Amino acid sequence: EADIYQTPRYLVIGTGKKITLECSQTMGHDKMYWYQQDPGMELHLIHYSYGVNSTEKGDLSSESTVSRIRTEHFPLTLESARPSHTSQYLCASSEFSYEQYFGPGTRLTVT
Amino acid sequence: RKEVEQDPGPFNVPEGATVAFNCTYSNSASQSFFWYRQDCRKEPKLLMSVYSSGNEDGRFTAQLNRASQYISLLIRDSKLSDSATYLCVVLNTGNQFYFGTGTSLTVIP
Repeated sequence: EADIYQTPRYLVIGTGKKITLECSQTMGHDKMYWYQQDPGMELHLIHYSYGVNSTEKGDLSSESTVSRIRTEHFPLTLESARPSHTSQYLCASSEFSYEQYFGPGTRLTVT
Repeated sequence: RKEVEQDPGPFNVPEGATVAFNCTYSNSASQSFFWYRQDCRKEPKLLMSVYSSGNEDGRFTAQLNRASQYISLLIRDSKLSDSATYLCVVLNTGNQFYFGTGTSLTVIP
């Protein structure tokens, strides 16, 4: 089992609220990723990091920001949630060119 | 053109059947290849890596054809528990992972 955790698992929140989705891994992986996935659809990369103080935007602009102050922690923040942000958010980590391990996901609903 | 393309299916097969999925990728310099399995409303989980020489894990066989830029997954003696979506994943030279849309498999009793 992969040691990668996400909280909260489910979140229902009103439009305009600021939210932070937490992701932590205990495997010491340098690389971490955030994906967005709608039901039945493919994963879209929204942010990634190759190490501490390194963050990059992915292919999908989701009006979110990330930080990587510690190796094990990669939180995702939405400054002002909108209904279009309703989706599943998956965090993953990997080492070098090896496979990714995924967290259980956060299912976000913005009302 | 998408980095990774898969037939979305769905594939509905009886128990015990053999089923094959294919996937094509666009970047000839891609360096690593994987098959992931994703159950409904769950996170993707690694099924197997795909090596140039082909590799097998029990009932599952993965093959890579670099010349034609395609990857395949063969499942023999399908079980009900094999029902899931199978994702083809490619790691390119920029160290970014690209996911296919997934192929849906339902194994019927």
